[in-house]
Amino acid sequence: NAGVTQTPKFQVLKTGQSMTLQCAQDMNHEYMSWYRQDPGMGLRLIHYSVGAGITDQGEVPNGYNVSRSTTEDFPLRLLSAAPSQTSVYFCASIHPGADTQYFGPGTRLTVL
Amino acid sequence: GNSVTQMEGPVTLSEEAFLTINCTYTATGYPSLFWYVQYPGEGLQLLLKATKADDKGSNKGFEATYRKETTSFHLEKGSVQVSDSAVYFCALMNTGNQFYFGTGTSLTVIP
Repeated sequence: NAGVTQTPKFQVLKTGQSMTLQCAQDMNHEYMSWYRQDPGMGLRLIHYSVGAGITDQGEVPNGYNVSRSTTEDFPLRLLSAAPSQTSVYFCASIHPGADTQYFGPGTRLTVL
Repeated sequence: GNSVTQMEGPVTLSEEAFLTINCTYTATGYPSLFWYVQYPGEGLQLLLKATKADDKGSNKGFEATYRKETTSFHLEKGSVQVSDSAVYFCALMNTGNQFYFGTGTSLTVIP
């Protein structure tokens, strides 16, 4: 198992550009989520999904879109990047009935 | 609501010193509690967990006990090593697999 994978590892954008952060897991986990990590603020939930076709907003959803067309993939889209979205982004997944969250290695995003 | 508060860092210790990182929580119902560790440039890894009151989670010499009466889940290790240098996150999971994280505590262990 590769676990939870994320691409790219690093990205630099200009204000107003759009991009998609990719996340995939090969553990057949139903629950997937996206967090952003900022200094002094820990991890904050952006969006989550409890299964294919179902997504919902977390604590800080503004400026981000998600979709879940398959169990394996959960991409995060930035529609019009802003400097406030400079952060490290983590994708995570949980197996139903389990209570352990598995994290990807992260994407470090800088918006100029 | 649900929230986690953990001690501010950074924490700097000498090798073989005793470590305590405090964590308290607010939650509805009966959450599971976790400690995650993040090494530089990496994602979070589960260090230990406890799913009910009075449970003790342990791993790699680290321990934490779920104290419902004090709503705490303090992380301890008797003798830290340089390789323990990392950021430690306390977290809770409540209904619907929703996780809530503390702000993280950076630990540096010097030889």
